[in-house]
Amino acid sequence: GENVEQHPSTLSVQEGDSAVIKCTYSDSASNYFPWYKQELGKRPQLIIDIRSNVGEKKDQRIAVTLNKTAKHFSLHITETQPEDSAVYFCAASRIPTFGRGTSLIVHP
Amino acid sequence: GAVVSQHPSRVICKSGTSVKIECRSLDFQATTMFWYRQFPKKSLMLMATSNEGSKATYEQGVEKDKFLINHASLTLSTLTVTSAHPEDSSFYICSARGLRQSTYNEQFFGPGTRLTVL
Repeated sequence: GENVEQHPSTLSVQEGDSAVIKCTYSDSASNYFPWYKQELGKRPQLIIDIRSNVGEKKDQRIAVTLNKTAKHFSLHITETQPEDSAVYFCAASRIPTFGRGTSLIVHP
Repeated sequence: GAVVSQHPSRVICKSGTSVKIECRSLDFQATTMFWYRQFPKKSLMLMATSNEGSKATYEQGVEKDKFLINHASLTLSTLTVTSAHPEDSSFYICSARGLRQSTYNEQFFGPGTRLTVL
């Protein structure tokens, strides 16, 4: 089955800095790669996704890149703000499989 | 966007009782629903996939007689935790996917159910 590895498990940055979270996947048939933000006790919220036919997608301060050859994709958050603090999950979704999560802490 | 509800949001029960959790797609027909379990500070672990009108497919290590899943209609799936024990205490989240999302496997999450077994 699919195996998704996510790094780092914890990321601490200063407000205004950039944050990068990386994921690798194993199933070359996976064609959809969403990123979710989850606040404590709440449901995961989709923040951005990318499909296998594109290499990069951007939405304001958030961007995702995909390298299908290397089977890895990354989430980039620029100009981080304290409200960006949460746990972020990547997923590779032929059969939904989630990374272990990254706890992002943005210090004011 | 698509809306998925889950009920109840929180349940406390005694050991040995059964608990039913409902997952509903409110504004679309969910051909596939997924049930996840999440422990504190951990990732979402897929328990089972259910397709409307057929038996659920359980992930390795998940007891199908313990976690009964029914997907009787295109808008409702239920998860019943039978003879619950304290180790079943967890956050259970469902997600749903309709035909329109089937190409790229997008899914929409319910708000989750916090189960505490005393």
